[in-house]
Amino acid sequence: DAGITQSPRHKVTETGTPVTLRCHQTENHRYMYWYRQDPGHGLRLIHYSYGVKDTDKGEVSDGYSVSRSKTEDFLLTLESATSSQTSVYFCAISESNGDGTGELFFGEGSRLTVL
Amino acid sequence: SQQGEEDPQALSIQEGENATMNCSYKTSINNLQWYRQNSGRGLVHLILIRSNEREKHSGRLRVTLDTSKKSSSLLITASRAADTASYFCATGETGANNLFFGTGTRLTVIP
Repeated sequence: DAGITQSPRHKVTETGTPVTLRCHQTENHRYMYWYRQDPGHGLRLIHYSYGVKDTDKGEVSDGYSVSRSKTEDFLLTLESATSSQTSVYFCAISESNGDGTGELFFGEGSRLTVL
Repeated sequence: SQQGEEDPQALSIQEGENATMNCSYKTSINNLQWYRQNSGRGLVHLILIRSNEREKHSGRLRVTLDTSKKSSSLLITASRAADTASYFCATGETGANNLFFGTGTRLTVIP
């Protein structure tokens, strides 16, 4: 199994509070991604990174920010959580740039509930 | 949305039977991938088929790709109860820099 660790695995928070999810990899892969998974929507890309300090937006980036200060860590921050951000968040890594030429390796997910 | 669409949304079969699920997409792709997700777990890559390939096999899995119809199918032969999971197609679209996932097919294999 690819070495990907997400933390926390479960979190309950209140509307308006900041939340940070962490993804840590031991594979030294260049590319890292944050997806959210919701019933009826499949997986949707929030943000991705193609190198240290190099990030870009995905299709559902509003309300989220990311940072990557080290190859192994990719942080997802909800500046002010809303109930619509209740979801399961998955981190993924890839050796390629995600243009479809490489497979993604996924973490086990972080379940976030915003009350 | 650029997502693919899987069909059917849910499928229930007896152990030993074959399971077929389909994926349709809308744009030009470089390749298409299939992933599996067990309940409460992350996705696991199953197979990748490139746009210039028509069929690919991996163990009990057979994937076909028809770029003229913008569709793919995943066949699982001789299904087992352990195959019970959700299956997602993901497209690597031309000019894009990430995968677009469909909404998945929920497969239940009854022992």
